Amino acid sequence: DVKVTQSSRYLVKRTGEKVFLECVQDMDHENMFWYRQDPGLGLRLIYFSYDVKMKEKGDIPEGYSVSREKKERFSLILESASTNQTSMYLCAASFQGDPGELFFGEGSRLTVL
Amino acid sequence: AQSVTQLGSHVSVSEGALVLLRCNYSSSVPPYLFWYVQYPNQGLQLLLKYTTGATLVKGINGFEAEFKKSETSFHLTKPSAHMSDAAEYFCAAEGGADGLTFGKGTHLIIQP
Repeated sequence: DVKVTQSSRYLVKRTGEKVFLECVQDMDHENMFWYRQDPGLGLRLIYFSYDVKMKEKGDIPEGYSVSREKKERFSLILESASTNQTSMYLCAASFQGDPGELFFGEGSRLTVL
Repeated sequence: AQSVTQLGSHVSVSEGALVLLRCNYSSSVPPYLFWYVQYPNQGLQLLLKYTTGATLVKGINGFEAEFKKSETSFHLTKPSAHMSDAAEYFCAAEGGADGLTFGKGTHLIIQP
């Protein structure tokens, strides 16, 4: 099975801080995604990447950036955290030949004070 | 753009009763369809998927779903609920370059 590991399960940051959320997958999958999950809103796609150094905006990219320097690692960056970015962040990976089957990490719950 | 609608943010059933979680998609071209489950404090995991072929799809933990093109639906069922089925369930559709579009989720509550 693909294993997707998110570096931090719980983070507490202050408004204006720069936040890095790291995600690593161990199965050489081409596609990686960052979602945000909020009650009543489901999952919303922030950014995704189909290859190293490649990134595409999802539905809600404002206030976020990403980095994919290596195939196995996809980082989400909050340049200046705000309270409305308090949320659960989910990283996922999928194989190019089976793009709909996503493998998710356990999530990173971020609280911005 | 693709959209996925899950009817009911919360569904409550008794242990042993039928589970029915509803999902409708909007697309003139049938997409690939998925159900994911999220247990408390965990990420999502794939329950089942429909791509082509047989319209009744069986998944893990006794769940199944039926693709009905005429109704643009992909409802999830399980004949007999178990306490361990309590979780959040997400329907999703894949039909474009942006990956999956998820519904807003249905929280399944199992009453003892």
